[in-house]
Amino acid sequence: NAGVTQTPEFQVLKTGQSMTLQCAQDMNHEYMSWYRQDPGMGLRLIHYSVGAGITDQGEVPNGYNVSRSTTEDFPLRLLSAAPSQTSVYFCASSSRYGLSDIQYFGAGTRLSVL
Amino acid sequence: AQSVAQPEDQVNVAEGNPLTVKCTYSVSGNPYLFWYVQYPNRGLQFLLKYITGDNLVKGSYGFEAEFNKSQTSFHLKKPSALVSDSALYFCAVRVSSNTGKLIFGQGTTLQVKP
Repeated sequence: NAGVTQTPEFQVLKTGQSMTLQCAQDMNHEYMSWYRQDPGMGLRLIHYSVGAGITDQGEVPNGYNVSRSTTEDFPLRLLSAAPSQTSVYFCASSSRYGLSDIQYFGAGTRLSVL
Repeated sequence: AQSVAQPEDQVNVAEGNPLTVKCTYSVSGNPYLFWYVQYPNRGLQFLLKYITGDNLVKGSYGFEAEFNKSQTSFHLKKPSALVSDSALYFCAVRVSSNTGKLIFGQGTTLQVKP
């Protein structure tokens, strides 16, 4: 059982470049989220999805796009990378059913924008 | 506005001593509260949660947390700390029952010294 898989693990971009961070889960979870982690600021929610075809913005959505065409995948797109987007990005998933509410996290993508 | 605060950036404790990592929250309605742990270069892992019932919640690795409604706190505790407990700890609160959205505190680094 792979859980939540994120690729790539590390990435270096130049300002203005675009890229897609991949996230896949094999637990058939309805909820998926993207967070960024910055020192002293905890995790901040970028975008989230409650199911295929449904996405919404979190706290810090500017500069990022998402889509959810399948239950399994939830890619995060950086449209034009900026140094302020240097961060560690985590994808998470959880089930809407029962009282679980437990979010399962991927190992993260460490992104540097030069 | 709903929020979570972890007032200590770092907690230092000697191995074998009890530890406490503090968390306070502000939510409307009944709180769903969580603790997650992050080891270096890893994603977050679920430790324990409070939804309803007993104010003392037991979780993984010998950790427990005490819910105090009057003080709006959910402090993480362990009777006897281990060096391997050294990690970054996050408190979180669920802010929506329909989306699974969580708000995280800024994190507390726990350092257990031999």
